[in-house]
Amino acid sequence: DIQMTQSPSSLSASVGDRVTITCRASQSIGTYLNWYQQKSGKAPNVLIYAASSLQSGVPSRFKGSGSGTDFTLTITSLQPEDFATYYCQYSHSSATWAFGQGTKVEIK
Amino acid sequence: QVQLQESGPGLVKPSETLSLTCAVSGYSISSGFYCGWIRQSPGKGLEWIGNIDHNGNTHYNPSLMSRVTISRDTSKNHLSLRLSSVTAADTAMYYCARVGIWMPPSGDEGFVFDVWGQGTMVTVSS
Repeated sequence: DIQMTQSPSSLSASVGDRVTITCRASQSIGTYLNWYQQKSGKAPNVLIYAASSLQSGVPSRFKGSGSGTDFTLTITSLQPEDFATYYCQYSHSSATWAFGQGTKVEIK
Repeated sequence: QVQLQESGPGLVKPSETLSLTCAVSGYSISSGFYCGWIRQSPGKGLEWIGNIDHNGNTHYNPSLMSRVTISRDTSKNHLSLRLSSVTAADTAMYYCARVGIWMPPSGDEGFVFDVWGQGTMVTVSS
């Protein structure tokens, strides 16, 4: 099965900072990669699908990139409402779908 | 507006079967969308449990396959999750979600959980 590894597991940042989260797949997955945001006590919400496509209604400061094994979620200017935990996820056909372990973005 | 709402007993005894329902509104589960279940143990990350497609075909996480059954009732527009022989390790928030489908320029379709229910907490304890 494909394993998804995120880094860092947590980070501290200030409002206005540029934040980058990395997700690495244990083998090539093309662009079958999604990113989710989960705020405390809430269900996750999709931000990015297909590695770089912005979900409808999601602010343009969220950007996804990458293909193959290495992917990045970038928040170009961190806003107060962006403090949350972020997960990458692989989902393709009959393979075992897998989430990364999460990256918690905290206020510095 | 698409909505999903999970329900079920909040407490299940060890070795028994956990049974949850997800009521779907705003679209038909027999249309082109899949639906899935995901869980999250307290303070932990997300774990995919499995999916059911619009034809009723299922796809499970191998780590849970021997104990899990996902089914649907198209007349009620809801799906169900059953997890047998539960232990304390199955204590978690359980979410149902709609699975959106996207097509790459080449290759098979991709999938994304694009609408989530609010989740229901299940504790396994005697």
